[in-house]
Amino acid sequence: GQQVMQIPQYQHVQEGEDFTTYCNSSTTLSNIQWYKQRPGGHPVFLIQLVKSGEVKKQKRLTFQFGEAKKNSSLHITATQTTDVGTYFCAGRPTNYGGSQGNLIFGKGTKLSVKP
Amino acid sequence: DSGVTQTPKHLITATGQRVTLRCSPRSGDLSVYWYQQSLDQGLQFLIQYYNGEERAKGNILERFSAQQFPDLHSELNLSSLELGDSALYFCASSVGRGGASYTFGSGTRLTVV
Repeated sequence: GQQVMQIPQYQHVQEGEDFTTYCNSSTTLSNIQWYKQRPGGHPVFLIQLVKSGEVKKQKRLTFQFGEAKKNSSLHITATQTTDVGTYFCAGRPTNYGGSQGNLIFGKGTKLSVKP
Repeated sequence: DSGVTQTPKHLITATGQRVTLRCSPRSGDLSVYWYQQSLDQGLQFLIQYYNGEERAKGNILERFSAQQFPDLHSELNLSSLELGDSALYFCASSVGRGGASYTFGSGTRLTVV
């Protein structure tokens, strides 16, 4: 079935270092969304990318959608302790996802930041 | 407060029992999704309802069932509970059939003992 692979599974960084998580889809996506789940919390929507090659920024966060609309990345510049959490990408396939629903979540990257 | 209300927040029950988790979607949202998240695991899609009708079904066990009522709230019923069913169960809602972003509730933590 359709899959969205996300790497790495875990990332430990020193505060101030950069962080990147990558998503790859087995099929072309109509859009991709990113969510953040703080420890003990629930996933919260961050952003949606729709266009091929799209780049969006939110303060220290930079989101990219690949030219082929099959991959995406989230880059955090100069991490802070408030960035701690699990970051999920979620891709919407161009063909309906069926048993996976219409938004396929990656398994997430758990970010820990050492002060 | 995300606008999606899940009750109860915590539930402890014995193996073999049956429980019902409740979700009220954000005002105006017609779709409700249920996800299971085990410890340090990703989000496992269970089922989606749109305006009262089942829209998509994921890896939902036969012991589990769900429904969406006319007022759009949804219930997830888990029966013949096993230790492995212990997890965080999230409900999410979206405006349409699934074109928009999801708003998640704060979840129900189920512990089966």
